[in-house]
Amino acid sequence: QKEVEQNSGPLSVPEGAIASLNCTYSDRGSQSFFWYRQYSGKSPELIMSIYSNGDKEDGRFTAQLNKASQYVSLLIRDSQPSDSATYLCASRPGVSGTYKYIFGTGTRLKVLA
Amino acid sequence: NAGVMQNPRHLVRRRGQEARLRCSPMKGHSHVYWYRQLPEEGLKFMVYLQKENIIDESGMPKERFSAEFPKEGPSILRIQQVVRGDSAAYFCASSPPAGAANQPQHFGDGTRLSIL
Repeated sequence: QKEVEQNSGPLSVPEGAIASLNCTYSDRGSQSFFWYRQYSGKSPELIMSIYSNGDKEDGRFTAQLNKASQYVSLLIRDSQPSDSATYLCASRPGVSGTYKYIFGTGTRLKVLA
Repeated sequence: NAGVMQNPRHLVRRRGQEARLRCSPMKGHSHVYWYRQLPEEGLKFMVYLQKENIIDESGMPKERFSAEFPKEGPSILRIQQVVRGDSAAYFCASSPPAGAANQPQHFGDGTRLSIL
């Protein structure tokens, strides 16, 4: 059973639109959540981290966390073609003593010019 | 360059050979993590190390794979007697020790391992 699930996509949005990326997790003890962007053939790059219920905004990006529903999302406002990439959702399990991340398989985003 | 450094970027080995992948964490970081990524898949955790200690190796195959992070020098992921299924991108990440639970991990550029 997957512990972090994402829709693989591709999710296609027109330039300037809002892209909404979603992620669910199964470990109710998870406390920390992260969104990474990965361009093809490149390394994952941290976009946002979120630890508390609610919204967290950073520029064009907003992360949302709902621990009751075990749901994390990433909104990208004013999407640009350069945002086209795979977005990876990660959680840190609630098990003490380890800081490993569990990653989803990623959602491929295409922003159409 | 203050980022996570991995080398080599590309490594080609024949079946049965050994592969050694190196990772130098960011300055000030003492926690190192290794992940493997197969084509079109997410990253799979392999092992988490601190200096001279393996903290969590729950994701690492029991056979042929080993990892170390010595007091001096980079962390090494070693794969013995490689097989075609070991072909993947291997990423190293690091994080600082202070409040490590909420410290994001920063990734290196990865080593692309190809097995002939």
